[in-house]
Amino acid sequence: KAGVTQTPRYLIKTRGQQVTLSCSPISGHRSVSWYQQTPGQGLQFLFEYFSETQRNKGNFPGRFSGRQFSNSRSEMNVSTLELGDSALYLCASSLAWGSYEQYFGPGTRLTVT
Amino acid sequence: KQEVTQIPAALSVPEGENLVLNCSFTDSAIYNLQWFRQDPGKGLTSLLLIQSSQREQTSGRLNASLDKSSGRSTLYIAASQPGDSATYLCAVNHGGFKTIFGAGTRLFVKA
Repeated sequence: KAGVTQTPRYLIKTRGQQVTLSCSPISGHRSVSWYQQTPGQGLQFLFEYFSETQRNKGNFPGRFSGRQFSNSRSEMNVSTLELGDSALYLCASSLAWGSYEQYFGPGTRLTVT
Repeated sequence: KQEVTQIPAALSVPEGENLVLNCSFTDSAIYNLQWFRQDPGKGLTSLLLIQSSQREQTSGRLNASLDKSSGRSTLYIAASQPGDSATYLCAVNHGGFKTIFGAGTRLFVKA
């Protein structure tokens, strides 16, 4: 069974631009969560999607948004990029919304210059 | 507000030693607790998941315990090996199923 895949793996963007990251969950998994990891703040929860609906949202500005498609694939978008958005963005999938084990992808390394 | 703390922040041990990593959380109303390892620049690998109704889980040389009432979990690694060198993270699945991570323990096992 294939694991969680994230594309692209690396990305360099300029301040003010926008970016879209993609996550494909494990086959059969319907919940996708997104996290931001930085050396200073550690791993922080962004949002979670289940059945194409956002179920939870962390404490991030509205520039961070996401969506989930009917095949459970998810995308997150960051608009008006800031230097502080440079981070490793991790996606995790689980069977459903709730108390299920999470499986993480390799992440997308975003660098904002 | 749920806070997750991991002690120690870093640990260096000789190969073969048994070791314990600690994770504490401030709100005992959790659904589960999950331990992960992360190699530099990589994603997270799930090690063990303990549901709130369980006391411990074991996988190979790893054993994780959960004491909800005291807000603590421990990850025990037996007979450590250089390949165990990584950062170990605990994550608490809290109310509304938000997941809160600790800052991690960086483990180095010397050959």
